[in-house]
Amino acid sequence: AQSVSQHNHHVILSEAASLELGCNYSYGGTVNLFWYVQYPGQHLQLLLKYFSGDPLVKGIKGFEAEFIKSKFSFNLRKPSVQWSDTAEYFCAAPGSGYSTLTFGKGTMLLVSP
Amino acid sequence: DVKVTQSSRYLVKRTGEKVFLECVQDMDHENMFWYRQDPGLGLRLIYFSYDVKMKEKGDIPEGYSVSREKKERFSLILESASTNQTSMYLCASSLIGEGSFPYEQYFGPGTRLTVT
Repeated sequence: AQSVSQHNHHVILSEAASLELGCNYSYGGTVNLFWYVQYPGQHLQLLLKYFSGDPLVKGIKGFEAEFIKSKFSFNLRKPSVQWSDTAEYFCAAPGSGYSTLTFGKGTMLLVSP
Repeated sequence: DVKVTQSSRYLVKRTGEKVFLECVQDMDHENMFWYRQDPGLGLRLIYFSYDVKMKEKGDIPEGYSVSREKKERFSLILESASTNQTSMYLCASSLIGEGSFPYEQYFGPGTRLTVT
C-alpha cells in the first residue's frame, strides 16, 4: 500500500460509548495491516495486527479490527471505551520501500469521564 | 522485550547547528527507521536502513542524512538545523526472517527537537 487514509482526525466520546475508527489503504499487494496507539507522553506501541486468516483480529485492551478486502478497509473497534483509552491512534500498511510502513495521519481520541 | 532507545527526550538547538539524534536497539534487528511526527500529518518516513552501512531515502529526506556504522545503532543528522525541522523524531526497528511478523516495527520514545 502506498497511502493510508484515516477518516476522523478527532473523536470525542463519553465513557462506555462504542468506538469505530475508519482506515482505508490503497492496494499494494501484500496485506499486513496494523493499528498503533500513542498514549499521552508515551511511545508508539502496537495495538493489533493482521497478516492473514480470520479477518477479525483482536488486540490488547479489548480492541479489535476487521479487515474487509473488498473495501480496502481495516477499521478499529471497541464496544465500550474508557477514559484511559484517550490517545492517538494510527493505522499503518506496507509502504513503497523495503520493509517500510505507511502511516495514516492519526486519530486523536478523547474520552470524557 | 524489544527495546529501542533514543539519546534524548528533549533537545533545543539553534538555527544552523549540526544536530545528531541517536537510536539504539537491543534485539539484533536488521531494519531501522527514522520518522518525524507532526500534528495532523502523522508519521512521515525520513530514512531507513536494512543493513549496516546501507541507507535508503524515505518520503522526506531533504535536510537530513543518516549513519549506520553498527547494526544496533542508527543516527539521524541534521546538517544545518532550521526552524521547520522542529518536530518529534521517532526511531523504529524491525526484524526480518524467521520469528518475525512482516513489517511490524518497534518504536523508541521519541526526541522532541526544537530549533530556535
